[in-house]
Amino acid sequence: DAGVTQSPTHLIKTRGQQVTLRCSPKSGHDTVSWYQQALGQGPQFIFQYYEEEERQRGNFPDRFSGHQFPNYSSELNVNALLLGDSALYLCASSFYALGQGGNEQYFGPGTRLTVT
Amino acid sequence: DQQVKQNSPSLSVQEGRISILNCDYTNSMFDYFLWYKKYPAEGPTFLISISSIKDKNEDGRFTVFLNKSAKHLSLHIVPSQPGDSAVYFCAASATSYGGATNKLIFGTGTLLAVQP
Repeated sequence: DAGVTQSPTHLIKTRGQQVTLRCSPKSGHDTVSWYQQALGQGPQFIFQYYEEEERQRGNFPDRFSGHQFPNYSSELNVNALLLGDSALYLCASSFYALGQGGNEQYFGPGTRLTVT
Repeated sequence: DQQVKQNSPSLSVQEGRISILNCDYTNSMFDYFLWYKKYPAEGPTFLISISSIKDKNEDGRFTVFLNKSAKHLSLHIVPSQPGDSAVYFCAASATSYGGATNKLIFGTGTLLAVQP
């Protein structure tokens, strides 16, 4: 049973460039959430995708955008990179269960983005 | 505005003893709480969760206690093992009755070191 996978593992970009990160959810999961974890902090919610639509969004600028594909995989795009975007980007998958509040999300290993 | 707080950045415990990790929250809408463990260079691993309708949940060596009136939860690990050494994150969410998997709000983490 494959868990959540992310690519690439590491990435170095220059300020002003654009980056795309990829995520494949755990088998059987249909919802993908993205989080940003800065050094010494807990993960912060960026947004969530279900049925190829953005369902929830955290306090991140429009430079952060995403997409979900019919096979439930997802991409996170960041435009006009800033030095402050350097962080670990985590993808989490879960199952959309109507009427239930249970919320276990399973995380991938993350992509370490460094902006120079 | 830190809605989930882990006030102890680190904790050191002897092997075989009990580890107690604490977490406080401020948002009374939170009704589901989770603990994650994170090793360096890996994504967070789900450990245990608790719904606000309960005050205790056990899974093997791990027990989570919830005190809603105090807006406090704790994770007990008994007995502690060297392999438990990791950063532990507390996370909380508020149910949306549309069934969506809700965003997790994380604390800043506690580094647990279990000494042999």
